[in-house]
Amino acid sequence: EVQLVESGGGLVQPGGSLRLACAASGFTVSSNYVSWVRQAPGKGLEWVSVIYSHGRTYYADSVKDRFTISRDNSKNTLYLQMNSLSVEDTAVYYCARGTDQGFDYWGQGTLVTVSS
Amino acid sequence: QSVLTQPPSASGTPGQRVTISCSGSRSNIGNNYVHWYQQLPGTSPKLLTNRNNQRPSGVPDRFSGSRSGTSASLAISGLRSEDEADYYCAAWDDSLNAWVFGGGTKLTVL
Repeated sequence: EVQLVESGGGLVQPGGSLRLACAASGFTVSSNYVSWVRQAPGKGLEWVSVIYSHGRTYYADSVKDRFTISRDNSKNTLYLQMNSLSVEDTAVYYCARGTDQGFDYWGQGTLVTVSS
Repeated sequence: QSVLTQPPSASGTPGQRVTISCSGSRSNIGNNYVHWYQQLPGTSPKLLTNRNNQRPSGVPDRFSGSRSGTSASLAISGLRSEDEADYYCAAWDDSLNAWVFGGGTKLTVL
């Protein structure tokens, strides 16, 4: 059974950093593409970043140069390193598995709150 | 401002058929598959349709997607109260090198 479990969210001050993790089971993160998608309180879904099986990464303009996506194949885990956080980054962050059929599995999400 | 444009709200009565539109451009909907997602209150998004008009196992055939040019739509037939949710379209954008989502449509079952 495919499962994605996010962790690492919490309260951080503006300008701070946080690293999110997404532990995958039932599939291999290196064999699929996996994305981070966030949702600010009361708002819609916003794509954040993706890492493809071949290792190429892409980012939304809103997080480029501040966020870094990576994976640890030995732990079958996806990461999102978030630096220079601002209040606009406050959101629930989901990881989602991608296939040629779309984002077919999503985690339960982890809440990141940026506030002083 | 989302790259893909959806109406903010839609509504229908039980048993009715409703459609939700998603407007984009050649670089996203025009060139790539459109996916639709359902997000029930307080839950994670769920894939509803893929490759423009195919449903993952477990998704009722009341849900169907279509694409024409740079626009797509999701149709829900035989509307039920449990269909009340937020619906999002998404596609890869070749110009932005990014996945893009619509702003979401809140469906109310009257």
